[in-house]
Amino acid sequence: ETGVTQTPRHLVMGMTNKKSLKCEQHLGHNAMYWYKQSAKKPLELMFVYNFKEQTENNSVPSRFSPECPNSSHLFLHLHTLQPEDSALYLCASSQDQVGGRTGELFFGEGSRLTVL
Amino acid sequence: GEDVEQSLFLSVREGDSSVINCTYTDSSSTYLYWYKQEPGAGLQLLTYIFSNMDMKQDQRLTVLLNKKDKHLSLRIADTQTGDSAIYFCAERGLTGGGNKLTFGTGTQLKVEL
Repeated sequence: ETGVTQTPRHLVMGMTNKKSLKCEQHLGHNAMYWYKQSAKKPLELMFVYNFKEQTENNSVPSRFSPECPNSSHLFLHLHTLQPEDSALYLCASSQDQVGGRTGELFFGEGSRLTVL
Repeated sequence: GEDVEQSLFLSVREGDSSVINCTYTDSSSTYLYWYKQEPGAGLQLLTYIFSNMDMKQDQRLTVLLNKKDKHLSLRIADTQTGDSAIYFCAERGLTGGGNKLTFGTGTQLKVEL
């Protein structure tokens, strides 16, 4: 199995829908992250969880709601999104929030979200 | 917040060297990274350099760090079509708890025959 798995890979939703993105890591890591990747913009950190506790919310609108039930799973619940929220959402994990010696993050392949 | 800047596009011919540049603002950076994103995939760590080093070489890759100017570069020798990807520069600083990576926009490298 790959290290970090994200589902679904593609999602199209209307502005009134409720959907969720799922991330699972098989690396035994304790820190998990949600990033947003938009064209021509820096990769944007959204949320960080360390040992299941949220340690960072980077001023993300409340229409994005993260959930981390255990160190291996991370969800991003989506509700009443806007078209400008269309982007690639990347999940990542690391050994812990300090990231071990080098702070390397391991990324999933992303969920491509389109909001109509 | 801290910024990392890089150009959006670079086009090179197969066999030539590619140089991707990055500047950053965080003077407390401890590690600097280059991540590679191939089409339809997530980011994968390519190489990294500790802030007290000025050069690191790994096969076809050479990383140069000018800490005074806060400038990082990635040189790919003998660039191949398989090197076509988006290359992200990232820095890890001491602000905000230690493992907050700040990424740039990514530079899309296109290798032409």
